[in-house]
Amino acid sequence: DSGVTQTPKHLITATGQRVTLRCSPRSGDLSVYWYQQSLDQGLQFLIHYYNGEERAKGNILERFSAQQFPDLHSELNLSSLELGDSALYFCASSLTPRAPYGYTFGSGTRLTVV
Amino acid sequence: AQTVTQSQPEMSVQEAETVTLSCTYDTSESNYYLFWYKQPPSRQMILVIRQEAYKQQNATENRFSVNFQKAAKSFSLKISDSQLGDTAMYFCAFMKSLGGGADGLTFGKGTHLIIQP
Repeated sequence: DSGVTQTPKHLITATGQRVTLRCSPRSGDLSVYWYQQSLDQGLQFLIHYYNGEERAKGNILERFSAQQFPDLHSELNLSSLELGDSALYFCASSLTPRAPYGYTFGSGTRLTVV
Repeated sequence: AQTVTQSQPEMSVQEAETVTLSCTYDTSESNYYLFWYKQPPSRQMILVIRQEAYKQQNATENRFSVNFQKAAKSFSLKISDSQLGDTAMYFCAFMKSLGGGADGLTFGKGTHLIIQP
């Protein structure tokens, strides 16, 4: 157990729908990162929150949004889902944005859009 | 923008052999960090080893070591005495030092390593 908790582990939904993925960072970590892993795009950085504030955006679609709450858990909202959104979504955390020792990853949420 | 290239989509070796996974990267940054992550079938991303670009000494962690060639922008991973549990996807990743890593990690496409009994 890495200490980063992601729920749900698996999610199957239909095109056009909206889903919310949840992440609880490792205890004490203030930074949360979201990544998407797909067969064609590989691992891509989506967005980074630090202590409740957005710090950086990567290749995140406008249909996707995220937030980090006062208790530091984060949610990734995916709307108007398309078949191509099917992927493994990872959350990672670190104490600060400067993470020279890397991040701690959760076990991911497998999203299947049908 | 940074790019990370792993030119070996898949490799297979016998148990106890030594294997080297290749990684090259492109960046205009002078200070940065490099990582190798392992993703076994459980899909958990596990940090294997890290290297700070300003350190010339190659990092080692037990059976894992790197060959970091900054001028060539090369960062290969050597696994000695390979074990069945080393079977996994291995990802090379880059992080800028300036900016504090806020932009996250840039990953390569990965190398699927299979250790044969």
